[in-house]
Amino acid sequence: GESVGLHLPTLSVQEGDNSIINCAYSNSASDYFIWYKQESGKGPQFIIDIRSNMDKRQGQRVTVLLNKTVKHLSLQIAATQPGDSAVYFCAENSNTGNQFYFGTGTSLTVIP
Amino acid sequence: DAGVTQSPTHLIKTRGQHVTLRCSPISGHKSVSWYQQVLGQGPQFIFQYYEKEERGRGNFPDRFSARQFPNYSSELNVNALLLGDSALYLCASSLSLTGGNTEAFFGQGTRLTVV
Repeated sequence: GESVGLHLPTLSVQEGDNSIINCAYSNSASDYFIWYKQESGKGPQFIIDIRSNMDKRQGQRVTVLLNKTVKHLSLQIAATQPGDSAVYFCAENSNTGNQFYFGTGTSLTVIP
Repeated sequence: DAGVTQSPTHLIKTRGQHVTLRCSPISGHKSVSWYQQVLGQGPQFIFQYYEKEERGRGNFPDRFSARQFPNYSSELNVNALLLGDSALYLCASSLSLTGGNTEAFFGQGTRLTVV
């Protein structure tokens, strides 16, 4: 079956620094990806998405990069703030599938 | 507009009991999906419903069932609860079928504890 995994389970950064969270996926048919932020006790919050016909997409303080050759996805957060502390999940979906597959998550801690 | 709403927020049940969880999708969204999130893991797909029909099912036993109503709200039912069913149950709302590369927005979840 499909597999989505993260390289690092935890990440600590200083406030103001940039953060990079990585994600690997194994299903070459995956063509749509979403990054979610999940704070303790809450549901996943949509951050940004990207389709496979793109290799980069930017939002407010966030950028997602997609490398289909090596099946790798990353989330870059600029000027990380304490409110960015959370668990980040990448989720993937294929055009023929009806579910999202989630990785195990990366816990981001921002040090003031 | 209200986001995805789930009820109840917390629930404690005894082994062997059954439970019903409820979800109201974002207004205008016709697809509801259910996910189970065990502590420390990512969400796992249980069901997807679209236009009141089941359109996908994950690797969960028959004790899990769901349905979608004409107003697109949904219920997840779990029978004969086991300790291992303790988890955060998440409902995701999307405009159309997930397979159409459509954004999925999650509710806050129902925290189920089985004792």
